[in-house]
Amino acid sequence: GAGVSQTPSNKVTEKGKYVELRCDPISGHTALYWYRQSLGQGPEFLIYFQGTGAADDSGLPNDRFFAVRPEGSVSTLKIQRTERGDSAVYLCASSLSGPDEAFFGQGTRLTVV
Amino acid sequence: AQSVTQPDIHITVSEGASLELRCNYSYGATPYLFWYVQSPGQGLQLLLKYFSGDTLVQGIKGFEAEFKRSQSSFNLRKPSVHWSDAAEYFCAVGAPRTGANNLFFGTGTRLTVIP
Repeated sequence: GAGVSQTPSNKVTEKGKYVELRCDPISGHTALYWYRQSLGQGPEFLIYFQGTGAADDSGLPNDRFFAVRPEGSVSTLKIQRTERGDSAVYLCASSLSGPDEAFFGQGTRLTVV
Repeated sequence: AQSVTQPDIHITVSEGASLELRCNYSYGATPYLFWYVQSPGQGLQLLLKYFSGDTLVQGIKGFEAEFKRSQSSFNLRKPSVHWSDAAEYFCAVGAPRTGANNLFFGTGTRLTVIP
């Protein structure tokens, strides 16, 4: 596709459930980033992949959050035992190299009820 | 650690008027600086970036920003605002020298444009 694609666009889940959020980066982009944007806030860094490996996962808030990128393209953000505080828009971005050319997807709005 | 402050939560300007959105950063060295715009239902779009060199940076949609090291600022400007500029604007800092490839974003400034 022409841009970064995130699915689903909206996800409502019950507290305690497991969710997966998917990101399809721009073809050929080796760097992939996940951010979380809470209401009224700027995006907050979660994790950065260079190829298949997580180069920096320092932004993941706790061990309920995990992300993979097994083939160096599509990435999945996984959240276990969801809590109401996890409700936010989860943004994915990709770039050829570094953060300077990052292109963002439209995000997945996660609501935990 | 780096941080970004956008002191104005909401700004209202008249169409055709000039605009300046403020951004102050905290970082131990010269950072990489970015301005992104987010329209309702849209993803973040890069307006411009500063890495080094000329401190006045030109971006898309007629925007420019000036890096002032002495003031730790990177304010965004536009000489004449259009109604379509109404959106949320985010300043961000990157610190690749430390090996970090993530961006630190400010809390954003919402721009309203009145006819």
